[in-house]
Amino acid sequence: SAVISQKPSRDICQRGTSLTIQCQVDSQVTMMFWYRQQPGQSLTLIATANQGSEATYESGFVIDKFPISRPNLTFSTLTVSNMSPEDSSIYLCSVGASGNEQFFGPGTRLTVL
Amino acid sequence: GESVGLHLPTLSVQEGDNSIINCAYSNSASDYFIWYKQESGKGPQFIIDIRSNMDKRQGQRVTVLLNKTVKHLSLQIAATQPGDSAVYFCAEARSGGSNYKLTFGKGTLLTVNP
Repeated sequence: SAVISQKPSRDICQRGTSLTIQCQVDSQVTMMFWYRQQPGQSLTLIATANQGSEATYESGFVIDKFPISRPNLTFSTLTVSNMSPEDSSIYLCSVGASGNEQFFGPGTRLTVL
Repeated sequence: GESVGLHLPTLSVQEGDNSIINCAYSNSASDYFIWYKQESGKGPQFIIDIRSNMDKRQGQRVTVLLNKTVKHLSLQIAATQPGDSAVYFCAEARSGGSNYKLTFGKGTLLTVNP
């Protein structure tokens, strides 16, 4: 299994600002994923981030709103840009392991006022 | 469109009883089905998975059943304990080249009463 940490664990931000969320893994992994979990809801995949290539975004998510960096095999960032209250969610990163298994970080709880 | 959903949003059981959490799916092309447990304030934790060519798989105190005829997935937890209280998500995994993408269902809140 992989140990995943995220920073910050939570934040309260003002409308119109941006927040960068960091995801750190204790081992080298090829595939990293970013999810959004709106209050009381399930998880929705935002994008897949592989090292050395551009992130692949799911329908409804765009790079201008959620730019992603993947500088090496143990680290990734997700930025939530020009935030509005509708962006209030838990943002989770995960890493792909053998087969189909994914390990998740603890999440970043974002509140936008 | 494709969807992965759950029959019951909440389930309350007595400690020691068996729990059954159900999930319906609509996409027959999924390669795997997976159950995750999410405790409050934490990320989802992998419980067990099952390949689409299987109909049953057992783990420690958990059993997953897959009925492809009616596109139904269930998670059975034996001798449910207070520590099992959490939200349980089913997810389907489809190969997207070198990685699997997960589509999550809505979740069921399991409450275990002592």
